[in-house]
Amino acid sequence: NAGVMQNPRHLVRRRGQEARLRCSPMKGHSHVYWYRQLPEEGLKFMVYLQKENIIDESGMPKERFSAEFPKEGPSILRIQQVVRGDSAAYFCASSPLGTGEADTQYFGPGTRLTVL
Amino acid sequence: DAKTTQPPSMDCAEGRAANLPCNHSTISGNEYVYWYRQIHSQGPQYIIHGLKNNETNEMASLIITEDRKSSTLILPHATLRDTAVYYCIVRDMNSGYSTLTFGKGTMLLVSP
Repeated sequence: NAGVMQNPRHLVRRRGQEARLRCSPMKGHSHVYWYRQLPEEGLKFMVYLQKENIIDESGMPKERFSAEFPKEGPSILRIQQVVRGDSAAYFCASSPLGTGEADTQYFGPGTRLTVL
Repeated sequence: DAKTTQPPSMDCAEGRAANLPCNHSTISGNEYVYWYRQIHSQGPQYIIHGLKNNETNEMASLIITEDRKSSTLILPHATLRDTAVYYCIVRDMNSGYSTLTFGKGTMLLVSP
């Protein structure tokens, strides 16, 4: 009964490079959420996706960040031209339904991005 | 979603019950109370949720007051591994999707 998988667990990038973070939801879950936790801060919602659709990206920075959840394969959070302020832990969560009482979000272990 | 208020930190002796309070005085009828915890450097872990009745599972119990303005998460026999930040979150689960809004939570320290 595999949980939410994220890889890589740790990612180091130099300023200006691209970062790609992957999230495989739990089996049977078709809803994916990305959250970011900056150092010494709380978790903040970034984006909510269903297969092939972005439902809510109200928490995404307007530039350099994008997310996708293709029909096949994991969800990808992509950060272009990374800056030091992007250094954070990025968590992915998945849920089965998207709505209703039974729709609990389960989190992965996170990817820790360090920008040098 | 309604706002929640939690104490910033609490201490508990190993083996004793940990009672973590949460105030949500503006909660509305459709909103559920969810609890998550985050052990250092790990992803948040779902604990329990409820609407108005008390709930219990293998991890914890959730006691919600009759007026639903506050709740208490109870870890009946705290262990050192329960040291974590505990988040109380209120969510409207019946009006479309609902993302999680994390506050600062309560840092629970369980000591020997």
